[in-house]
Amino acid sequence: DIQMTQSPSSLSASVGDRVTITCRASQSIGRYLHWYQHKPGKAPNLLISAVSTLQSGVPSRFSAGGSGTEFSLTISSLQPEDFGTYYCQQSYTTRMYTFGPGTKVEVK
Amino acid sequence: EVQLVESGGGLVQPGGSLRLSCEASGFTFSTYTMDWVRQAPGKGLEWISFISTSSDTIYYADSVTGRFTISRDDARNSLYLQMNSLRDEDSGVYYCARGAGSGWLDHWGQGTPVTVSS
Repeated sequence: DIQMTQSPSSLSASVGDRVTITCRASQSIGRYLHWYQHKPGKAPNLLISAVSTLQSGVPSRFSAGGSGTEFSLTISSLQPEDFGTYYCQQSYTTRMYTFGPGTKVEVK
Repeated sequence: EVQLVESGGGLVQPGGSLRLSCEASGFTFSTYTMDWVRQAPGKGLEWISFISTSSDTIYYADSVTGRFTISRDDARNSLYLQMNSLRDEDSGVYYCARGAGSGWLDHWGQGTPVTVSS
């Protein structure tokens, strides 16, 4: 099974800060890596698909990249509404999708 | 507007059963794969099952294999999850999600809570 890790597990940053979250896979997963934002009591929201494709309606301050086993999500200028937990997800193995453990983002 | 609305969650004793439903609207349900994902209290997201269009292909996470059954009724625009032999660790919020492209989940429901407790 492919294992996903994320770092940091949590962070606290100020409005306007640049924030980067890293996601690592236990083996190469090509471009089968996606990012979600999840706020308490809400449905998870797809931010980025296939490593770097920004979803419609997602602010341009979100960007992502990477390849192979190491990927990153960056928020260029953190806004108050960006709080929540961010998850990466691999779909390389169609028989077993896996999510990373999540990175909880707090906006000071 | 794409909408996914889960229902059927609740309190059940260990060893019991529940059937979750997910009613879809705003898109041609029959042409999309669907998934179930859950979140245990205080934990992260866990993918648990996938069903292809026409129900040709079905996958389960190891944690639910043999106990859970995913199905769909395209005439009713509905996705289901039959959960048997429930355990304490099956407690959580269960989300249905629409599959897209190469395995990302582009629309999710609000979730339905399941509590397994005696």
